[in-house]
Amino acid sequence: DIQMTQSPSSVSASVGDRVTITCRASQGINKFLAWYQQKPGEAPKLLIYAASTLRSGVPSRFSGSGSGADFTLTINSLQPEDFATYFCQQAKSFPPSFGQGTKLEIK
Amino acid sequence: QVYLQESGPRLVKPSETLSLTCTVSDGSINSFYWTWIRQPAGKGLEWVGRVFASGSTNFNPSLEGRVAMSIDTSRNQFSLQLTSLTAADTAVYFCAKVKCIGGSCYDWFDPWGQGIPVTVSS
Repeated sequence: DIQMTQSPSSVSASVGDRVTITCRASQGINKFLAWYQQKPGEAPKLLIYAASTLRSGVPSRFSGSGSGADFTLTINSLQPEDFATYFCQQAKSFPPSFGQGTKLEIK
Repeated sequence: QVYLQESGPRLVKPSETLSLTCTVSDGSINSFYWTWIRQPAGKGLEWVGRVFASGSTNFNPSLEGRVAMSIDTSRNQFSLQLTSLTAADTAVYFCAKVKCIGGSCYDWFDPWGQGIPVTVSS
């Protein structure tokens, strides 16, 4: 199985800041990577797929990059509603697998 | 936008079988892959398996032998059965749609149901 490792596990930031979260796959996955946002008590929501394609309706302050084994999620100009946990997930190899999550907290 | 809703028991006893159902709001169940994902409290996400409209299935090898899935397109529902339950199966169970783009489907999940918390305890 492909292991997905996110860093940091948690990060504190202020409204208006830019935040970057990284995700590393234990082997190359081309661009078969997605990012999800999860708020407490809610289901995850797809933000980005194919490493850099923004899901329809997701604000443009979210962006994704990377290919192979290393990926980043960047959130520009943080808004209050962005404070949540973010997960990466690979879809290259069976079974699909998720990172452990990065909790974005208000500073 | 399609909506998904999980239903089933929230408390099951060890060694018993969990049966959950996901109801899909529209007829798209006839055309796509559908999946179950679970999340123990305060932890990460684990993909459980997927079922296609034809009834074909794939499961996480970590659960192989204990998991089954089925689909009833006439009722817009698909189901999960997990046998020989232990406390380690306690989790929120989500159903979700596998994303398809231009006729090809990929194991990205959108949208998700709200999730149903399941506790395995005597």
